[in-house]
Amino acid sequence: NAGVTQTPKFQVLKTGQSMTLQCAQDMNHEYMSWYRQDPGMGLRLIHYSVGAGITDQGEVPNGYNVSRSTTEDFPLRLLSAAPSQTSVYFCASRTGYNGYNEQFFGPGTRLTVL
Amino acid sequence: DAKTTQPPSMDCAEGRAANLPCNHSTISGNEYVYWYRQIHSQGPQYIIHGLKNNETNEMASLIITEDRKSSTLILPHATLRDTAVYYCIVRSNTGNQFYFGTGTSLTVIP
Repeated sequence: NAGVTQTPKFQVLKTGQSMTLQCAQDMNHEYMSWYRQDPGMGLRLIHYSVGAGITDQGEVPNGYNVSRSTTEDFPLRLLSAAPSQTSVYFCASRTGYNGYNEQFFGPGTRLTVL
Repeated sequence: DAKTTQPPSMDCAEGRAANLPCNHSTISGNEYVYWYRQIHSQGPQYIIHGLKNNETNEMASLIITEDRKSSTLILPHATLRDTAVYYCIVRSNTGNQFYFGTGTSLTVIP
């Protein structure tokens, strides 16, 4: 298993540009989520999904969109990038709906918005 | 307000036990405490979790106070590879949201 994969590893955007961060998992996990990590801080939940076709907001959803058309993929879209969205983005997945199981994190995408 | 509070940094001698404290005084009845660690800005890795009782696995032990307002992660015999940032996390009642603290940077000293 490749686990949780994220692309790209690094990205530089200009203010106002849009882009999609890709996340995929091959463990048949129902639950997937996106976090952002700002320097010196812990991770904050952006959006999550408990299964294909079902998404919901986390702590910091503004400026981001998600969709879940398949079990494997959970892309994160930045509609109009802002410097405040400069961060490291982590995708995670786990099995089950009850939250007791370990979350597996991807390697992260480092995004800089100029 | 942050759901967890952790000291920003700690040192531990190699081979000794590392005790990492966490305060979660506003935790509610069905919210679990999780611990993850992050090495060199990689994705966080799961360590252990618990609700009320003390828990132990091959990596660590988790001691939760009776009032559940605080907990301690114990690495029984710290090695240099345990140098990392350790996050204490509260998981929401629904199980869908994890609230990370700011983490403790643990340095294991030879």
